[in-house]
Amino acid sequence: AQSVTQLGSHVSVSEGALVLLRCNYSSSVPPYLFWYVQYPNQGLQLLLKYTTGATLVKGINGFEAEFKKSETSFHLTKPSAHMSDAAEYFCAVSVHPIGAGGTSYGKLTFGQGTILTVHP
Amino acid sequence: GAGVSQSPSNKVTEKGKDVELRCDPISGHTALYWYRQRLGQGLEFLIYFQGNSAPDKSGLPSDRFSAERTGESVSTLTIQRTQQEDSAVYLCASSLGFTVAKNIQYFGAGTRLSVL
Repeated sequence: AQSVTQLGSHVSVSEGALVLLRCNYSSSVPPYLFWYVQYPNQGLQLLLKYTTGATLVKGINGFEAEFKKSETSFHLTKPSAHMSDAAEYFCAVSVHPIGAGGTSYGKLTFGQGTILTVHP
Repeated sequence: GAGVSQSPSNKVTEKGKDVELRCDPISGHTALYWYRQRLGQGLEFLIYFQGNSAPDKSGLPSDRFSAERTGESVSTLTIQRTQQEDSAVYLCASSLGFTVAKNIQYFGAGTRLSVL
């Protein structure tokens, strides 16, 4: 089984400051990792994902995340926060069944979410 | 359609009533997922469809919950004899398929269910 822990249910930053949202995962097999953003009254939008290959992943809106296997982490960062970044962010994990020929049914296990507030 | 569409967007019902929640996935998407988001909690997986089949129903919280999909398109999540703990936002997602490359899930805006 896999699980995700997001440290900090609320994060507040000033506009222009660094954004760091923390995510740690637990998985017995190599994980696929995702960050989603949810704006009020909207569905979740994929920010970025890690499957294999380069451990530093760049996503939309200037966000990036780094997969660190030794730390079982996948923290989300953005160098300079913008007011429009205020939203709730979810880290999620799915697993790739070993030997399954490259397929996974893709069930996502989500963290509790982190609400990002950006103040002027 | 352009995106995943869910209806109704809001549903208020009385305890003990049955409700049906609808999801219209993106056209051509083979995979369809239902998740639940209760207040103050993360999203929890309920069920997924591969075409019209639901191979994994392990996430359904009780036998009051059921789901079906027809025509490899529309899906309906039914909750019978609703309870207050069923109050949540129910999210639907769809993806092209199940390979790593195709399994990017696109989410609808959800149905907010309130059981009084």
